[in-house]
Amino acid sequence: NAGVTQTPKFQVLKTGQSMTLQCAQDMNHEYMSWYRQDPGMGLRLIHYSVGAGITDQGEVPNGYNVSRSTTEDFPLRLLSAAPSQTSVYFCASSLSGGRTDTQYFGPGTRLTVL
Amino acid sequence: GNSVTQMEGPVTLSEEAFLTINCTYTATGYPSLFWYVQYPGEGLQLLLKATKADDKGSNKGFEATYRKETTSFHLEKGSVQVSDSAVYFCALSDPLSTYDGGADGLTFGKGTHLIIQP
Repeated sequence: NAGVTQTPKFQVLKTGQSMTLQCAQDMNHEYMSWYRQDPGMGLRLIHYSVGAGITDQGEVPNGYNVSRSTTEDFPLRLLSAAPSQTSVYFCASSLSGGRTDTQYFGPGTRLTVL
Repeated sequence: GNSVTQMEGPVTLSEEAFLTINCTYTATGYPSLFWYVQYPGEGLQLLLKATKADDKGSNKGFEATYRKETTSFHLEKGSVQVSDSAVYFCALSDPLSTYDGGADGLTFGKGTHLIIQP
């Protein structure tokens, strides 16, 4: 099993550009989520999904869109990048998102917006 | 709302020293508690967890006990190694979603940077 994979590993954008961060998992997990990690802030939840066709907002959803057409994939879209979105982005998955579930994290995407 | 508070560091120790990283939490329900570790340049990985009061999680010589009365989940290790140098995150899971099983994600502390010197 590859676990949770993310692409790209690094990305530099100019303000106003759009891009999609890819996330895939091969563990047949129903729950997937996106976090951003900023210095001194820990990780904050952006969006999550409890299954194909179902998504919901987390703590910091503004400026980001998601969709979940398959169980395996959960892309994160930045429609018009802003410098405030410079961060490290982590995708995670778990069996069902239940209270006791272990979350499995991808290796992260480091995004810089100029 | 839910929150997790932990010492931020950096915490610098000598090899074989005793380690304690404090973590306290606020939650509206009955959370599960986790410690995740992040090695340089990598994603987070689960170190240990406890899902109910008085449970002790343990892994790789690390331990933490879920103390409901003090709302704490302190991480300890008796003898640290240079390879333990990493950032440690305390987190809780307290789903509030209306879906079965709930799925609000994890609430993280800010992370503690641990440096072990030979």
